[in-house]
Amino acid sequence: GAGVSQSPSNKVTEKGKDVELRCDPISGHTALYWYRQRLGQGLEFLIYFQGNSAPDKSGLPSDRFSAERTGESVSTLTIQRTQQEDSAVYLCASRSNGGGINTGELFFGEGSRLTVL
Amino acid sequence: AQSVTQLGSHVSVSEGALVLLRCNYSSSVPPYLFWYVQYPNQGLQLLLKYTSAATLVKGINGFEAEFKKSETSFHLTKPSAHMSDAAEYFCAVSRSYNTDKLIFGTGTRLQVFP
Repeated sequence: GAGVSQSPSNKVTEKGKDVELRCDPISGHTALYWYRQRLGQGLEFLIYFQGNSAPDKSGLPSDRFSAERTGESVSTLTIQRTQQEDSAVYLCASRSNGGGINTGELFFGEGSRLTVL
Repeated sequence: AQSVTQLGSHVSVSEGALVLLRCNYSSSVPPYLFWYVQYPNQGLQLLLKYTSAATLVKGINGFEAEFKKSETSFHLTKPSAHMSDAAEYFCAVSRSYNTDKLIFGTGTRLQVFP
């Protein structure tokens, strides 16, 4: 697609429920990143995919968080048994690792805002 | 380990005044440095990047940043602020320019007054 697309844009859930957040990267981008942005804070790295594998998942805060990527395209971030502290904007970004002037640039989606009541 | 520190969570300037947003980094390897901007209700977009080619980097919208190794800094400047520059600005560091994660600072919100 033309840009990184994330869905849903807003999600309100009750504590203890599971949620899935989806990211459609720019077509052909091999690298995909998930970040979390809590209110008034910076971007917190969660996980990085190169193709369908995740060489760096060091930022996942607990085993309630998991992510997968299929077909070197769509990625899903799953949060199980949500807690109130999970409330944040979850940002997805993709990056081309090939040549070209845009190499290195992360292209961000507009995020999925998660509110856990 | 890598990290960035952005001094000042909020900066206010008058339209036409100099903009200076500070960023200091920590890195055990030669760093790659980035500035991103987030306009209200929009996603982050790249302003400029340092990839060791030149220490003074020019970006979009009249912004530039200078890499100073001796000061471990990568401050963002613009000679004359415009109302449309009001946004949140994030500095980021990486070990690679295309194959590693970016570590972001906590951001600086820029307000521009008429």
